[in-house]
Amino acid sequence: QQQVKQSPQSLIVQKGGISIINCAYENTAFDYFPWYQQFPGKGPALLIAIRPDVSEKKEGRFTISFNKSAKQFSLHIMDSQPGDSATYFCAASKASGTYKYIFGTGTRLKVLA
Amino acid sequence: NAGVTQTPKFQVLKTGQSMTLQCAQDMNHEYMSWYRQDPGMGLRLIHYSVGAGITDQGEVPNGYNVSRSTTEDFPLRLLSAAPSQTSVYFCASSYSGLLGMGEQFFGPGTRLTVL
Repeated sequence: QQQVKQSPQSLIVQKGGISIINCAYENTAFDYFPWYQQFPGKGPALLIAIRPDVSEKKEGRFTISFNKSAKQFSLHIMDSQPGDSATYFCAASKASGTYKYIFGTGTRLKVLA
Repeated sequence: NAGVTQTPKFQVLKTGQSMTLQCAQDMNHEYMSWYRQDPGMGLRLIHYSVGAGITDQGEVPNGYNVSRSTTEDFPLRLLSAAPSQTSVYFCASSYSGLLGMGEQFFGPGTRLTVL
């Protein structure tokens, strides 16, 4: 099965807090795990991505943590800001031999001012 | 660069009508795809193309046709619209390299309602 399970469905965080979104995958052949951010009325845009040769990747306030043995990865947003309020999607794919992304169902994040 | 463009932004159809959703990219990307986005279901792949003349089915292809005659354009056709096809449709493109598919760039979407 090639599902990617994402949780929670929605999340409310106070300004300055930490937002954590989790994803789990089943197919061990997946080797590319991006996170996309989508604002209302817009298309998704790549936020940060990781490959399984590292356990963590950080870009500014955004960090991906990756646990290969548990087949789980998560997005951490440090010092969350109202401007981070958006829907976040995790995804997974195989780097070569296929051109298919499997997306999670999305998490709607609201950061309160 | 305009990136990925989609037309129209909004469309209302009656059941049984046909239409084509347009998608174009000016980044010379080999890979293009169509997704539909429904509440609580994330983005689901409809069809994709790895180059001009090459297309393949995704997760939910039924009721949709595609073709890819040029690198730039990847239209999505609904031959006989059904209410179940009410959704927001996104087109995306990506380069492909030694490590496979790179970052996908998404268009702004087309909101389709089928009555």
